[in-house]
Amino acid sequence: EAGVAQSPRYKIIEKRQSVAFWCNPISGHATLYWYQQILGQGPKLLIQFQNNGVVDDSQLPKDRFSAERLKGVDSTLKIQPAKLEDSAVYLCASSARLAGGYEETQYFGPGTRLLVL
Amino acid sequence: EDQVTQSPEALRLQEGESSSLNCSYTVSGLRGLFWYRQDPGKGPEFLFTLYSAGEEKEKERLKATLTKKESFLHITAPKPEDSATYLCAALMDSNYQLIWGAGTKLIIKP
Repeated sequence: EAGVAQSPRYKIIEKRQSVAFWCNPISGHATLYWYQQILGQGPKLLIQFQNNGVVDDSQLPKDRFSAERLKGVDSTLKIQPAKLEDSAVYLCASSARLAGGYEETQYFGPGTRLLVL
Repeated sequence: EDQVTQSPEALRLQEGESSSLNCSYTVSGLRGLFWYRQDPGKGPEFLFTLYSAGEEKEKERLKATLTKKESFLHITAPKPEDSATYLCAALMDSNYQLIWGAGTKLIIKP
């Protein structure tokens, strides 16, 4: 079974530029998560999708970050304009939804390492 | 405030030297406690889920246990390939979201 795919793996941009990250979850997984992980810290949830609807985006800096999940499969996370403090690893994860509830285990992609100069 | 605290921040062991990592949690409603392993440059890899106090799970040299306030990840006779950062996370029963600890960086010297 193929895992969660993310691209690009690395990105270096200047502050105030824009950047986009792509995620393809495990086939059939209804729930998709975007996390931000700063070096030495645990992941921080940015946004959670259930199919193509947003479940929680309370920690997403909406003045500069946006995310979409068209057709309930792939997802894109965008930052515009980027700030120095956005330098981090952006992780995508997915989980299945079983009849009557959630499959709680989240499976992660390799992440995209962003450096903002 | 819901939070998860891991200790120590870093742990260096000799190959074969057993030890334990701690994950203490303060959450309003715990559905499950997760352990993940993260290698440099990679995403977290799922290891275990524990749901109730007294539960134990094992995988190779790792054993995870759970009490009402904390979880331990015991590593027995570790090998250099066990070197990684180990993350724990509490799954909230209110919104099915994970509250993450900062991780313990484990280094096993040959």
